[in-house]
Amino acid sequence: GAGVSQSPSNKVTEKGKDVELRCDPISGHTALYWYRQSLGQGLEFLIYFQGNSAPDKSGLPSDRFSAERTGGSVSTLTIQRTQQEDSAVYLCASSPAMRGRGDEQFFGPGTRLTVL
Amino acid sequence: AQSVSQHNHHVILSEAASLELGCNYSYGGTVNLFWYVQYPGQHLQLLLKYFSGDPLVKGIKGFEAEFIKSKFSFNLRKPSVQWSDTAEYFCAVTGGGNKLTFGTGTQLKVEL
Repeated sequence: GAGVSQSPSNKVTEKGKDVELRCDPISGHTALYWYRQSLGQGLEFLIYFQGNSAPDKSGLPSDRFSAERTGGSVSTLTIQRTQQEDSAVYLCASSPAMRGRGDEQFFGPGTRLTVL
Repeated sequence: AQSVSQHNHHVILSEAASLELGCNYSYGGTVNLFWYVQYPGQHLQLLLKYFSGDPLVKGIKGFEAEFIKSKFSFNLRKPSVQWSDTAEYFCAVTGGGNKLTFGTGTQLKVEL
């Protein structure tokens, strides 16, 4: 079956521009996660959506980062006024997770963001 | 806050050698433990996971890991590696929630 998909696969932008990254989770998965993979910081959690609950935004590094999930499915991660340190691979994952129980997270291929 | 330490950053082995990658975590409560693998040019995929029960967990491709609660460890093992095991391996934990906290990763290179 279809896995997690992300678009674009690569994005090059200029410092100060806004970018939007998209994630399509596996159909039926109620939980959706965004992570960031960078050379200096490794793999870091950014934000987590579970059903209709308020998202866990505890990993967002600054108020320039935001995310939304429409209709409990597709999610968009927005980075405003991009900085060079935002350059990284942004990974999306989904799981059928029930609240309070850890489940396997299925990862997408990522979006490689380069800020010039 | 939870944290994960992977002690080996780069490992080079010959085919058929045995593998053990160390992973220690820091968290005071109940944890779920994972090993993920990222093959060159591919995305992260799950090797194995521990939620409860038998602390010796078997995963795909002949990998296994043992949860030792007293040592806060979840080391990954494989008795005989293959060239196709060349990849980056990540240990991860969830505790008190569903978000994964990852270790820094171990680059494994298997030489023919």
